[in-house]
Amino acid sequence: DTGVSQDPRHKITKRGQNVTFRCDPISEHNRLYWYRQTLGQGPEFLTYFQNEAQLEKSRLLSDRFSAERPKGSFSTLEIQRTEQGDSAMYLCASSLGSIGGAGELFFGEGSRLTVL
Amino acid sequence: SQQGEEDPQALSIQEGENATMNCSYKTSINNLQWYRQNSGRGLVHLILIRSNEREKHSGRLRVTLDTSKKSSSLLITASRAADTASYFCATDGSNDYKLSFGAGTTVTVRA
Repeated sequence: DTGVSQDPRHKITKRGQNVTFRCDPISEHNRLYWYRQTLGQGPEFLTYFQNEAQLEKSRLLSDRFSAERPKGSFSTLEIQRTEQGDSAMYLCASSLGSIGGAGELFFGEGSRLTVL
Repeated sequence: SQQGEEDPQALSIQEGENATMNCSYKTSINNLQWYRQNSGRGLVHLILIRSNEREKHSGRLRVTLDTSKKSSSLLITASRAADTASYFCATDGSNDYKLSFGAGTTVTVRA
């Protein structure tokens, strides 16, 4: 297993367009996370899944954002009607999940979005 | 919002010197973790310390945790050019399955 993979690595789009990012977690991991990171800041939590169930969403995740994890395997993050403020690195992470906490997260290389 | 705050924001040291960075957090935690991020890349887990632990070592890394002060420190000994990166602390609370990250410390190791 080569770790968490994300696609595409870079996406440039025009304001108002829709974009979709895909994340393939480590195969035996049941938890999958999406974070957003802007320049000079730490990752900000967006949402996470336990298997196929989306268990928590940040208030940062406006109604233009939707995430899915069908069948508890890969996940997609879609942003509709993109705005310039959506420009950021979108990071996916997965974990085996530990009792009483997040446990160690394994991150992908991220998908960098630039909205013109 | 970010739970942790790292200090300093940036650190520049000579190869072979030690690098120390601190993390303060606001609410009670279950675990505290440190991650490294090279420029433009994903984050890599370095070390996890539980709330009932005070100190932990892993290779050239030493982490301390003071829950009474809600703070942690990461020490990298005998730094190398390859240690140049941003370092983030991250916390989770009891029955909280997400990590909250600080803004990070950017470390530059000069050859």
